Amino acid sequence: GDSVTQMEGPVTLSEEAFLTINCTYTATGYPSLFWYVQYPGEGLQLLLKATKADDKGSNKGFEATYRKETTSFHLEKGSVQVSDSAVYFCALIWETQKVTFGIGTKLQVIP
Amino acid sequence: DGGITQSPKYLFRKEGQNVTLSCEQNLNHDAMYWYRQDPGQGLRLIYYSQIVNDFQKGDIAEGYSVSREKKESFPLTVTSAQKNPTAFYLCASSRQGGPNEQFFGPGTRLTVL
Repeated sequence: GDSVTQMEGPVTLSEEAFLTINCTYTATGYPSLFWYVQYPGEGLQLLLKATKADDKGSNKGFEATYRKETTSFHLEKGSVQVSDSAVYFCALIWETQKVTFGIGTKLQVIP
Repeated sequence: DGGITQSPKYLFRKEGQNVTLSCEQNLNHDAMYWYRQDPGQGLRLIYYSQIVNDFQKGDIAEGYSVSREKKESFPLTVTSAQKNPTAFYLCASSRQGGPNEQFFGPGTRLTVL
């Protein structure tokens, strides 16, 4: 079956540091890939997405590129802020709307 | 503003009692979902519904029940048969004809004493 692998963390960074959160997936076929963000005590919000190979999703300074050859969708940001502290979920989604989420990576940014 | 509401934010119940969590959306979405979130396990799908009066079991449906009598509403009942009901519950909705973004509510934290 489908699976999404990401480290649980926490990932702790100083403000203005470079962020990478790895996401790899296992699936038969080519699903769409999403990153969601969850701030403390809230639901998930879509951060960015990519629907086909080599697509790059971007939003609020975050980027991720759909790499078919490495089955990856790593999340990056050049300079993190304290307000980016949250849990980040990688997910794959099929046209049937079947979704598989990763376990979520907690990011802590310290001033 | 369009969105998804879940109530209450925090819920406490005694062991052995059934409890119903509310989920309402005004996004005109056909599909609705219930997830359970536990530390270290990500989100696990409990039930989903793609159309009114129809719903399917997800990966962890045992001990839960749902109904979908209206497009806007998808309540989840946590029954006494659920062995470990204390968790954070998230409701979501989406358009059909995917792959489409799922919109999430703010969640309900259920604690069974």
